[in-house]
Amino acid sequence: DSGVTQTPKHLITATGQRVTLRCSPRSGDLSVYWYQQSLDQGLQFLIQYYNGEERAKGNILERFSAQQFPDLHSELNLSSLELGDSALYFCASSVAQGVALNTGELFFGEGSRLTVL
Amino acid sequence: DQQVKQNSPSLSVQEGRISILNCDYTNSMFDYFLWYKKYPAEGPTFLISISSIKDKNEDGRFTVFLNKSAKHLSLHIVPSQPGDSAVYFCAASATVEGQNFVFGPGTRLSVLP
Repeated sequence: DSGVTQTPKHLITATGQRVTLRCSPRSGDLSVYWYQQSLDQGLQFLIQYYNGEERAKGNILERFSAQQFPDLHSELNLSSLELGDSALYFCASSVAQGVALNTGELFFGEGSRLTVL
Repeated sequence: DQQVKQNSPSLSVQEGRISILNCDYTNSMFDYFLWYKKYPAEGPTFLISISSIKDKNEDGRFTVFLNKSAKHLSLHIVPSQPGDSAVYFCAASATVEGQNFVFGPGTRLSVLP
């Protein structure tokens, strides 16, 4: 158990809809990352938050947005969903901004599997 | 353009033998490298890391080698065990530019009993 909690684990929705994925980081971790893993693809970095502020942006579509709340949990909002948005969405957290103090370790949740029909 | 490449989508190794997983990168600013292991229906878990000031890091059965001039790193697992069967992701970070970790596409390792 990494200590990172993601909900929901599975989500099935239709094209054009909007969904929200939620992530609770490990206790004490200030950084939250979102990654997308499409079928047989690597982990694509979407966005990073540190202590409530956006710190880095990757290949995140304009239809997607995220935020990190004062209690440090984060939400990833996906709107106007398309078939190609079907993927595993992972949240990860770390102690410091990006790199954990000693090992540079990101702690990943189990992911939210989104299926768009 | 993929900055981190793992050119072997899959690898099969006999139990007890050595597994060698390879990773190449293109961004010369990368200075921190990690390997993650992922089982089905689970999130990736950290395995081992190496800083660019080193060329080798060892942790039990796992050793990571870094060749900066070739922009290449490899993960050696010896001896390989059936429980090592998983997808292995190589990741790199450029701490100067910021804190993003760029992941490779992964290599699926199958250790045969």
